Amino acid sequence: GAVVSQHPSRVICKSGTSVKIECRSLDFQATTMFWYRQFPKQSLMLMATSNEGSKATYEQGVEKDKFLINHASLTLSTLTVTSAHPEDSSFYICSARDSGSPGNEQFFGPGTRLTVL
Amino acid sequence: QQQVKQSPQSLIVQKGGISIINCAYENTAFDYFPWYQQFPGKGPALLIAIRPDVSEKKEGRFTISFNKSAKQFSLHIMDSQPGDSATYFCAASYRGAQKLVFGQGTRLTINP
Repeated sequence: GAVVSQHPSRVICKSGTSVKIECRSLDFQATTMFWYRQFPKQSLMLMATSNEGSKATYEQGVEKDKFLINHASLTLSTLTVTSAHPEDSSFYICSARDSGSPGNEQFFGPGTRLTVL
Repeated sequence: QQQVKQSPQSLIVQKGGISIINCAYENTAFDYFPWYQQFPGKGPALLIAIRPDVSEKKEGRFTISFNKSAKQFSLHIMDSQPGDSATYFCAASYRGAQKLVFGQGTRLTINP
């Protein structure tokens, strides 16, 4: 149980294009999902908290107009990197919090490697 | 106050040895302390977690020791195996908060 999937696992795009990454909770409902960014050999940096049916909460320094988050259902959140540039190249990871669990357990997806040329 | 400090940054242990990773926190409102294991190119996987009402939790070869007064917690990996070679992250959160605060990570290498 507690499986989170991400799609695509790897994407290469040209500078200026937009890329959408999907995060799905496969066997549980998640009213809250999180989007992280991870640079090589570094810790996870929280970008935003995604709440089903409402606007995402972005961390300080994260451009909400560049990183669009939509959480339209209890099992799906999407992150769209708009007008991507080489500096946006990174490993993007989502996590989901089990709505049925009383604790704060977060389960992570396998990550999406974004390369912007 | 929101930081979780993790040490060491990297650790090399011989096969069969005990791996110990430490974390310290400041925010006394934290009440949930998970450890995650991450392999290269993969997302973190929840390994084991503890709440401050107990001082120790053991699952197989993995044990969390928790010292509430010192505001420290640690991960012990007994009988370490080469397959345990990965990056380990400690984290913390408090009830009512949704997000986790992560430590800096420890790259663990188990030599055969």
